[in-house]
Amino acid sequence: DAGVIQSPRHEVTEMGQEVTLRCKPISGHNSLFWYRQTMMRGLELLIYFNNNVPIDDSGMPEDRFSAKMPNASFSTLKIQPSEPRDSAVYFCASIETSGSDNEQFFGPGTRLTVL
Amino acid sequence: GESVGLHLPTLSVQEGDNSIINCAYSNSASDYFIWYKQESGKGPQFIIDIRSNMDKRQGQRVTVLLNKTVKHLSLQIAATQPGDSAVYFCAERVWGSQGNLIFGKGTKLSVKP
Repeated sequence: DAGVIQSPRHEVTEMGQEVTLRCKPISGHNSLFWYRQTMMRGLELLIYFNNNVPIDDSGMPEDRFSAKMPNASFSTLKIQPSEPRDSAVYFCASIETSGSDNEQFFGPGTRLTVL
Repeated sequence: GESVGLHLPTLSVQEGDNSIINCAYSNSASDYFIWYKQESGKGPQFIIDIRSNMDKRQGQRVTVLLNKTVKHLSLQIAATQPGDSAVYFCAERVWGSQGNLIFGKGTKLSVKP
């Protein structure tokens, strides 16, 4: 298995531009998580989905952030308009929850820089 | 200039020594715990897990201890190697949360050769 796939790996954009981050979870996993990691705040959960349905989006910082999961194999995190304070590494993770105890598998992350 | 950021606890050990990384978790309803390792430029990777009905679990060179009375988790690494240098996170899962994990702030382990 290729693991959790994220794209792009690096994104540099200018303030005000729209940014879309993409995630392909591990096949068969039914929960997907988006995290943001910064030096200031560490690893923060933004939103998570179970069976493609958003369960908890209380970590989404503002209305500028939105996430979708149109099917079991794809999710997007969109920032519109982007701001310099959005610069961070964004991780996607997935897990199969119908079994016993399982860990979340993390993708390699997308490093976002907003100038 | 000086950067202001999250102050991670740092543990510095000599190669070959044993390391112990500690974590206090928050929720007495948590039923499952995981230790993750994050190397620079990579996503967190699973190391070892433990259920709340256990107090100790051993892996290869790693041992996790759970003390539910004081809500404390520890990770012991035997014969620490330079490749163990990373940030280590503990995570707890609250029962019924559909896999959602609450992550600790992390501890930076630095191994001196």
